Amino acid sequence: EIQLQESGPGLVKPSQSLSLTCSVTGYTITSGYDWSWIRKFPGNKMEWMGYISYSGSTNYNPSLKSRISITRDTSKNQFFLQLNSVTTEDTATYYCASRGYYSGSFDYWGQGVMVTVSS
Amino acid sequence: DVVLTQSPATLSVTPGERISLSCRASESVDTYLHWYQQKPNESPRLLIKYASQSISGIPSRFSGSGSGTDFTLSINGVELEDLSIYYCQQGNSLPDTFGAGTKLELK
Repeated sequence: EIQLQESGPGLVKPSQSLSLTCSVTGYTITSGYDWSWIRKFPGNKMEWMGYISYSGSTNYNPSLKSRISITRDTSKNQFFLQLNSVTTEDTATYYCASRGYYSGSFDYWGQGVMVTVSS
Repeated sequence: DVVLTQSPATLSVTPGERISLSCRASESVDTYLHWYQQKPNESPRLLIKYASQSISGIPSRFSGSGSGTDFTLSINGVELEDLSIYYCQQGNSLPDTFGAGTKLELK
C-alpha cells in the first residue's frame, strides 16, 4: 500500500521560506503518479499547489508560480516543497498526495503537517 | 480556473436518511470530478472518482452521479461515522480545484 508522510517545521517566520519533505513508501515515485502538494487553510478552503510527475516534470498553480518549487530525490523516494517569501496567509495544513495521471484524482494522502507563519 | 460550487454548505442529518450533496462546475469537466471525505483531524479520503466510480474499501452506501457541470454525491442511509466535510475536486484542467465543502452535522 502506498503511504506518504510529510515532515518539516511547524513554524516559519514571515518573508522566510517554507520547506517540507514528503516521504513515500510502498511505491517508487518514478513509476507513476503526479506527486502533489495541497494545502488546507483555516476555514476549510483547499488549494492544489503543484506537482512533480513521475518523469520529473513540474506543474504549479499559477497563483503561486513565482514562489513555489517542487523537487525530488529519487534515491530516497522523497519529494519536496519550497515556498518562498511566506506571509501569514500561507498558514495552513500542508498535505502531500499522489495524483492519478489520467484521472487527476488524489488517490493517496499524507497525514498533513500544520504550518504557522508568524514572527 | 474552474470554480466548483458545493451546496448546501451545511446539512443537518438524521441517521438512516438518504441525502444528496451537490457540486456544480463553472464549465464542463466531463467526468473528471472526484469526491473526498475529511473527518476531523484526518487527511481527506477519496470516496468516488470519475463522478461515479466506486473505490475499493468505501462503503456501498456512497454513490456518485453526473457529468459535465452537475454532480451529486449520495449517501443511502447516513451513519454517525459519516459526519464529516465532503469536497468535490476537478482534475479535468489545471489548476486542479476544489469546492468549498459540505459539512454534515447531526440534526
